[in-house]
Amino acid sequence: KAGVTQTPRYLIKTRGQQVTLSCSPISGHRSVSWYQQTPGQGLQFLFEYFSETQRNKGNFPGRFSGRQFSNSRSEMNVSTLELGDSALYLCASSRLAVSGGGKSEQYFGPGTRLTVT
Amino acid sequence: QKEVEQDPGPLSVPEGAIVSLNCTYSNSAFQYFMWYRQYSRKGPELLMYTYSSGNKEDGRFTAQVDKSSKYISLFIRDSQPSDSATYLCAMSATGGGSNYKLTFGKGTLLTVNP
Repeated sequence: KAGVTQTPRYLIKTRGQQVTLSCSPISGHRSVSWYQQTPGQGLQFLFEYFSETQRNKGNFPGRFSGRQFSNSRSEMNVSTLELGDSALYLCASSRLAVSGGGKSEQYFGPGTRLTVT
Repeated sequence: QKEVEQDPGPLSVPEGAIVSLNCTYSNSAFQYFMWYRQYSRKGPELLMYTYSSGNKEDGRFTAQVDKSSKYISLFIRDSQPSDSATYLCAMSATGGGSNYKLTFGKGTLLTVNP
């Protein structure tokens, strides 16, 4: 079974630009969660989508947004990039909604490393 | 106090050693406990998943949960150089809802020297 895929793997952008990252979950998984990983803060939760609906959101500014399509693929958008947005962005898929409680194992993709200059 | 505390290390051990990795937490509602392994420039990989208190064993890996002490551990027996990675603990509560999410430790960097 194919794992979670993320594109692109690496990205360099300039301050003020916007960026769109893509995530394709494991086949049959309907939940996609996005995380930001930095050396200082570790893994921080951005949001979760399940069946095209945002189910949960972390403490990030409105510049960070996402969406999910009917085939469960998800995109994350960051507008007006700042230097502090440089990070590894990870998406994770699970069969059930993490926000639904109960057991839900999340499987991560390889991440997109974003560098903002 | 952070919800999940994890010693960042780094931890360096010789091949064949027993490794103990630990996390403490403050939220008594946490019921699900996970350990992820993350190699350099890769995404985290789910290693162990346990519910409530007790032990779970999978090959050379044993996960232990002590809810009374709010303390979880991952033991690696006969450690190998291929175990060199960052190990992240994660946990979550039951019940669901808009505030429900996985909470991660910052990770412990482990190096196993041949």
